[in-house]
Amino acid sequence: AQSVTQLGSHVSVSEGALVLLRCNYSSSVPPYLFWYVQYPNQGLQLLLKYTTGATLVKGINGFEAEFKKSETSFHLTKPSAHMSDAAEYFCAVSDRASGGSYIPTFGRGTSLIVHP
Amino acid sequence: DSGVTQTPKHLITATGQRVTLRCSPRSGDLSVYWYQQSLDQGLQFLIQYYNGEERAKGNILERFSAQQFPDLHSELNLSSLELGDSALYFCASSVWDDLRGQQYFGPGTRLTVL
Repeated sequence: AQSVTQLGSHVSVSEGALVLLRCNYSSSVPPYLFWYVQYPNQGLQLLLKYTTGATLVKGINGFEAEFKKSETSFHLTKPSAHMSDAAEYFCAVSDRASGGSYIPTFGRGTSLIVHP
Repeated sequence: DSGVTQTPKHLITATGQRVTLRCSPRSGDLSVYWYQQSLDQGLQFLIQYYNGEERAKGNILERFSAQQFPDLHSELNLSSLELGDSALYFCASSVWDDLRGQQYFGPGTRLTVL
């Protein structure tokens, strides 16, 4: 079964600093890869996704992620953190199951804390 | 607002009871996904329906069942509830059935089992 590891349940940065949230997955076959953000008391919102093509993916709110097949990683970055970026971030992958369906698997989430 | 609606917003019930959670997808979306989010298990995929048919199954207990109706709304039925079933239940919808497309998440139903 697919697994997703998000290194660090909490990441703390200062406003204006680089944001780096790490995600590694276990599949040897490139799956679909996603980053989602969840604000308090809300559902998840897609930040960006990788399906095929260019390995550097740009998303909303200035975030981007790079798919590195050799490292089975899909780390999320943002050059300059804003206070409004404070939220929970989830990395997710989907693999094609034997029956042809796609099964999404989520990491445990990383809480991003932004200090003034 | 994602366009996905879930009712009720909160639900408090007792062990052994049965509840039904409802989800209305975005207009035009044919796929509905159900997820359970808890502190213990994180965010777990339960089940997916596409245009009325079950398409994928995740970590869904036998006490749980779901269906998608002709108008594409979906219901998740949870029976013989246990304390450990207390969680946030999300549904999400998308146009496609294969996760290529963006999933739009509803605001969730918070279930508390006492």
